[in-house]
Amino acid sequence: GAVVSQHPSWVICKSGTSVKIECRSLDFQATTMFWYRQFPKQSLMLMATSNEGSKATYEQGVEKDKFLINHASLTLSTLTVTSAHPEDSSFYICSVAGGGGSGNTIYFGEGSWLTVV
Amino acid sequence: AQRVTQPEKLLSVFKGAPVELKCNYSYSGSPELFWYVQYSRQRLQLLLRHISRESIKGFTADLNKGETSFHLKKPFAQEEDSAMYYCALSGWGGKLIFGQGTELSVKP
Repeated sequence: GAVVSQHPSWVICKSGTSVKIECRSLDFQATTMFWYRQFPKQSLMLMATSNEGSKATYEQGVEKDKFLINHASLTLSTLTVTSAHPEDSSFYICSVAGGGGSGNTIYFGEGSWLTVV
Repeated sequence: AQRVTQPEKLLSVFKGAPVELKCNYSYSGSPELFWYVQYSRQRLQLLLRHISRESIKGFTADLNKGETSFHLKKPFAQEEDSAMYYCALSGWGGKLIFGQGTELSVKP
């Protein structure tokens, strides 16, 4: 069964509104989760590392005020796209590393399609 | 700098033909390398990782540190192998750096 679950699978929102995407670790507690963004037929780009109980670590070029990440519990991280614009339309994927240290098994969520109109 | 390069955006072969999807990496340290596959409308899933040295669905990949490569190979492609393939590199903690991806199209 699924180890990581994302919700919603797809969402359409109006330009200027905010939308929240949830990532849940179902089988184990995850102190760290990762958020990626994928444009159609393109690679996954790491956006940020979500750390339970502390601030997320954002990759260069990713606006932290635009993409708010909250990792309030060991099984849930949320990504909120604030004041969404059409260029934010993309496929957002979270992942969780199982176990500890390098050599983890990494599980991906099913992804969330965001369309901003 | 950490980087993964997949030079081919699209690879088209006929069923039964050999397949090689190229991957080169740049990493200052001991990398851990993976191949992920994404079938149409499905989530990304792990195909294989270099430390396990296994063969999954007939695919193999050998880490060549001299050439900094981790090419994915299969001797006889099947139609069901058609998918997007991503080479990825991991440091500590599960953070992955992905290549641009190669779309494999296996024609009947």
